[in-house]
Formats: sequence, C-alpha cells, structure tokens
Amino acid sequence: AQSVAQPEDQVNVAEGNPLTVKCTYSVSGNPYLFWYVQYPNRGLQFLLKYITGDNLVKGSYGFEAEFNKSQTSFHLKKPSALVSDSALYFCAVRDGGAGNMLTFGGGTRLMVKP
Amino acid sequence: GAVVSQHPSWVICKSGTSVKIECRSLDFQATTMFWYRQFPKQSLMLMATSNEGSKATYEQGVEKDKFLINHASLTLSTLTVTSAHPEDSSFYICSAPPGGSFRGYTFGSGTRLTVV
Repeated sequence: AQSVAQPEDQVNVAEGNPLTVKCTYSVSGNPYLFWYVQYPNRGLQFLLKYITGDNLVKGSYGFEAEFNKSQTSFHLKKPSALVSDSALYFCAVRDGGAGNMLTFGGGTRLMVKP
Repeated sequence: GAVVSQHPSWVICKSGTSVKIECRSLDFQATTMFWYRQFPKQSLMLMATSNEGSKATYEQGVEKDKFLINHASLTLSTLTVTSAHPEDSSFYICSAPPGGSFRGYTFGSGTRLTVV
C-alpha cells in the first residue's frame, strides 16, 4: 500500500521569506511524486513532479521540491513567498510499479502574510 | 494540452433527486477516470475508478447504487449521485491519468454539490 503524510495542517510565512511544505511518503516500488495546489472551490493545479533524474525538481510559479530517498521525503520549497501563494497544497504519490492511482496527503494550508 | 472539462461547476438540488456530473477529456483519450470526493478543509478521497468499456471499481465503503459511474466513451465519464441527501453535499473532482508520454495527472475543475 502507498501512503503520503503532510505533517503540518497549516504553514504561516511572511511575504518575501522562504517557505517549506513538508511531505513524506511510503510505497513499495519506485515513487512517482507530485505536488498540486488548490484554490477555493477549484480543482487541483499541477505544480511539479518527480519521476526519475535530478533530486531537485523545479516547477511552476517558482516552486521546487527535493526528493530525498533515504528520508522518503519530497518537501516543497520556494525561496521567496508571495501573498498569492496562499492556498491548499497537496502532495501525492503513485507507485511506479503498480497502476495509475494517486494517493494524496491530507493537505497543508499555506498562509502568506504581507 | 491534457484538459479535463468538468460540468457543472456547482449545483444545488433537492433531497431525493439525482444529479449527474460529467467529465470530458478534451484533447486526449482517457481510458481511465478517477473520481474523488473532498470535504471542506480535507484531502481528496478516492471514490471509484471508471474504465472505458468495463464496470467501475469502487473503493471500500462507497455505495455503488448511490454513486453511479459510467465511462461511455474514451472522452466521457459521468458520476450520478442518485437520491441525493444533504450528507452527499461535497466537492467532487475527476482526474485522468496521463496517456502516452508521462505528464502530470489532469484534474477537472470540480463540482460543488449542495443538497437541500
């Protein structure tokens, strides 16, 4: 079985400061990892993914994430937060060796204050 | 590319009526569609997986007779909430896995269902 944990329900950061949203995962095979952002009453928007290759993945809107196999983590980062980054962020994993199903973390609400 | 169009965006219905939600893949063929339900401030919970040409696979605890899923073609999957009750009020989202070269999964914009 595959699972994802986002240990923080909410992350607060001041505008201009760096932000980190944490994610850890568990899969039996090779992990395919994703980050999505959701604005109120909207579907999910794709930010970035890790399949293979460089551990540091760069995505949309200046976000990046680092795959750490030994710590089974895939934390989302941004060097300088914007107020407009305030939203709900989901980490998701798919077992690369088994089917297409994505499993989502519980979500982390990011609040960026001016 | 890889757009999933979901309709309606929001719907209000009376208890006991049925509501149909459609998800169409606009520029690719979706042999599989995932249907999720999301409660306020919570994560997405997979309800069922629809497959074109075969019966949908439901997750444990999801009532098959209440949430009817049909994958009529390679570009259309529907979720019908039958005899809706207020506890069915939720945000429903569909998602199609990528076809061909691997891309990020594509999500519909979601449907806010309110049963009164």
